[in-house]
Amino acid sequence: KNEVEQSPQNLTAQEGEFITINCSYSVGISALHWLQQHPGGGIVSLFMLSSGKKKHGRLIATINIQEKHSSLHITASHPRDSAVYICAVSPSGGGATNKLIFGTGTLLAVQP
Amino acid sequence: KAGVTQTPRYLIKTRGQQVTLSCSPISGHRSVSWYQQTPGQGLQFLFEYFSETQRNKGNFPGRFSGRQFSNSRSEMNVSTLELGDSALYLCASSFDGSYGYTFGSGTRLTVV
Repeated sequence: KNEVEQSPQNLTAQEGEFITINCSYSVGISALHWLQQHPGGGIVSLFMLSSGKKKHGRLIATINIQEKHSSLHITASHPRDSAVYICAVSPSGGGATNKLIFGTGTLLAVQP
Repeated sequence: KAGVTQTPRYLIKTRGQQVTLSCSPISGHRSVSWYQQTPGQGLQFLFEYFSETQRNKGNFPGRFSGRQFSNSRSEMNVSTLELGDSALYLCASSFDGSYGYTFGSGTRLTVV
């Protein structure tokens, strides 16, 4: 069983729809990250959070530490949101390191 | 400010050869981490360097190595290339690993 699980693996939405991508993890963490990867490979860090909720434009990320669960929401989705969304965690302990553990990603396609 | 720069963007090598990839972090960032992305295994952590010292290492064979220079630029080296080493290699920089990361565009390595 992977330490970081994402669902769904694939998601197709119509423009304007509200989208939710879920991430569950089984290890202790110091932080959870949501990343976006467009075709061609480049990765953009969307959020880093260790508690509560963060919002940036149409994107909202929440985390429940007790439940070991995080969600990424996209409001009023647009075709340019089409990308792979990856959840990653920074394991706790051992000091500050960049040893991220990644989920397998959610491929989102937003149709006009 | 300039982002994380990875060179080269694309590389084709023959089995048995060795390859060196470069990553220049954001100015002031002292932590550089490397990741391998393949269709089968997804994103996996290779190693992290902080102030010229390897601080953490993933589960990769000794053919994968790296180093960091005094200006924080980092290189990774893969010796005796195998077909399975074909992947997108990404680096990410961070101030010290406690904060968010900025990813480079990656180097796509093809081993033939």
